[in-house]
Amino acid sequence: GQQVMQIPQYQHVQEGEDFTTYCNSSTTLSNIQWYKQRPGGHPVFLIQLVKSGEVKKQKRLTFQFGEAKKNSSLHITATQTTDVGTYFCAGLRRSNYQLIWGAGTKLIIKP
Amino acid sequence: DAGVIQSPRHEVTEMGQEVTLRCKPISGHDYLFWYRQTMMRGLELLIYFNNNVPIDDSGMPEDRFSAKMPNASFSTLKIQPSEPRDSAVYFCASSLGLVGGASTYGYTFGSGTRLTVV
Repeated sequence: GQQVMQIPQYQHVQEGEDFTTYCNSSTTLSNIQWYKQRPGGHPVFLIQLVKSGEVKKQKRLTFQFGEAKKNSSLHITATQTTDVGTYFCAGLRRSNYQLIWGAGTKLIIKP
Repeated sequence: DAGVIQSPRHEVTEMGQEVTLRCKPISGHDYLFWYRQTMMRGLELLIYFNNNVPIDDSGMPEDRFSAKMPNASFSTLKIQPSEPRDSAVYFCASSLGLVGGASTYGYTFGSGTRLTVV
């Protein structure tokens, strides 16, 4: 079935370093959403990308949607301790408007 | 708005007991989703409702699970009888309209119910 693969599973960075997580779908998506889940918390909606090749920024976060609408990335510049958590992508399946979730990338800041 | 409200926050129960999880979606949201999250399987969609009607329950693990939405402001997820493998965090989420198209609000999740079956 349709899947959204997200890598890496974990990323350890020093505070101030950059962080990137990637999502790849086996089929074309209608759109893709990104969520952040803090440790012990619940997923919180960050953004939605709809257009082919779309790029959106939220302060230090940059979100991209591929030209073929099959892949997406989230890049965080100069990570801070407040960025700690798991970042999920979720692609919208065209056939039934269900979100297909990636497995998440856990951002860990090294002490 | 207080957001999506779930209760209880934590539930510890013995195997074989009935468990009922509750959810109050955001007023005006016409979609309600029940998810389960575990380390092994990540986020799994169990069932979702549109205007109080169950649309897709293909994610419900087995007959021990049932969900209802008697009105626009309340939904329950029931497990009877519960088993240790049901231990997980159960999230309720609501959404305004279909996620695609012009909607830009995404899903709003509740704080979840951490269920432990011993």
